[in-house]
Amino acid sequence: LAKTTQPISMDSYEGQEVNITCSHNNIATNDYITWYQQFPSQGPRFIIQGYKTKVTNEVASLFIPADRKSSTLSLPRVSLSDTAVYYCLVGGRDMRFGAGTRLTVKP
Amino acid sequence: DTAVSQTPKYLVTQMGNDKSIKCEQNLGHDTMYWYKQDSKKFLKIMFSYNNKELIINETVPNRFSPKSPDKAHLNLHINSLELGDSAVYFCASSLPGQGATTEAFFGQGTRLTVV
Repeated sequence: LAKTTQPISMDSYEGQEVNITCSHNNIATNDYITWYQQFPSQGPRFIIQGYKTKVTNEVASLFIPADRKSSTLSLPRVSLSDTAVYYCLVGGRDMRFGAGTRLTVKP
Repeated sequence: DTAVSQTPKYLVTQMGNDKSIKCEQNLGHDTMYWYKQDSKKFLKIMFSYNNKELIINETVPNRFSPKSPDKAHLNLHINSLELGDSAVYFCASSLPGQGATTEAFFGQGTRLTVV
């Protein structure tokens, strides 16, 4: 099982770009990288998924280097409502969450 | 329509009781999960079912028994409740992945409090 490592917490200010990096040194050839967001008192919500290089959607971008041993979730111009816990997952059906990164956006 | 729905949303019960949490998804997904999120906010997978077949069974006390009557439902039954069972329980569903982690949809959670 590919284990993931993320920073426990990050602080940012409104309007800034936030980059959260996840390490997954033992990622398997077939594994995708998926990021989820969880607000207090809610279930996690899918943000973005990728296999290599760069993926962008209306919410975030995901950067994956060639060796795929890490990935970076990029949130452009964060707002207070982006305060949440962000989880990086690697693999197939396993759906095992790590500790996540608690992002706090300040005014 | 709610994609993944759990009932009840809140459950307060006494130690030693038996309780069930129901989960239903209307997404046509084949895989369903139960997670436990404790007071420290760790989200731990408990069970995973694919087409009614158990595929993940973590180290969970056998007081916890999942039941999948059909692929749209995965209920969680808990016997002899203990104080340490107090947590938020999340149900989720997804399409089966072919090596890829597929997008999973989560319910709103059931906050279980054992007193």
